[in-house]
Amino acid sequence: DAGITQSPRHKVTETGTPVTLRCHQTENHRYMYWYRQDPGHGLRLIHYSYGVKDTDKGEVSDGYSVSRSKTEDFLLTLESATSSQTSVYFCAIASGPYEQYFGPGTRLTVT
Amino acid sequence: DQQVKQNSPSLSVQEGRISILNCDYTNSMFDYFLWYKKYPAEGPTFLISISSIKDKNEDGRFTVFLNKSAKHLSLHIVPSQPGDSAVYFCAASARRDDKIIFGKGTRLHILP
Repeated sequence: DAGITQSPRHKVTETGTPVTLRCHQTENHRYMYWYRQDPGHGLRLIHYSYGVKDTDKGEVSDGYSVSRSKTEDFLLTLESATSSQTSVYFCAIASGPYEQYFGPGTRLTVT
Repeated sequence: DQQVKQNSPSLSVQEGRISILNCDYTNSMFDYFLWYKKYPAEGPTFLISISSIKDKNEDGRFTVFLNKSAKHLSLHIVPSQPGDSAVYFCAASARRDDKIIFGKGTRLHILP
């Protein structure tokens, strides 16, 4: 299995609070991705990174920001959490633009 | 607009029989296709892929078929086993694109 971890694994937070999710890899892969999974929607890309400090938006980026200051870490921040951001968040890594390897996920509940 | 479509939300198959999961795509620029498998409370795991220069790729019990003219691919699992019960995601990527587009998934139930 690819060396990829996510923290925290579970979080409950209140509407309006900031939240940061962390993805950490030990594979030295260039690409890192953040997805959310919701019933009826499958996996939707939030943001991705193709190198340190190089990031781009995905299809559902509104309300989210990311940062990548080191190869191994990719942070996803919800500046002001809303109930619509209740979801399961997956980080993925890849050495090239094809096969991606996923972390175990973070279940976020916004009350 | 969905670029990758999995029109069957769920599928039930008897253990030992063949499972066929289907996927359609609309973007003719897609040149690489993947299948992922996901168990509850776990991240998706890469299963098998196929390049647009091929029409078939096989890996053990899993075979992916690509029909470019119909913009259709399918995943065949033979024989189906209880551990194959999971959600299967079809995904596609365009040349020189950094992103993969996923379908909504098909839940496969293998019946004893």
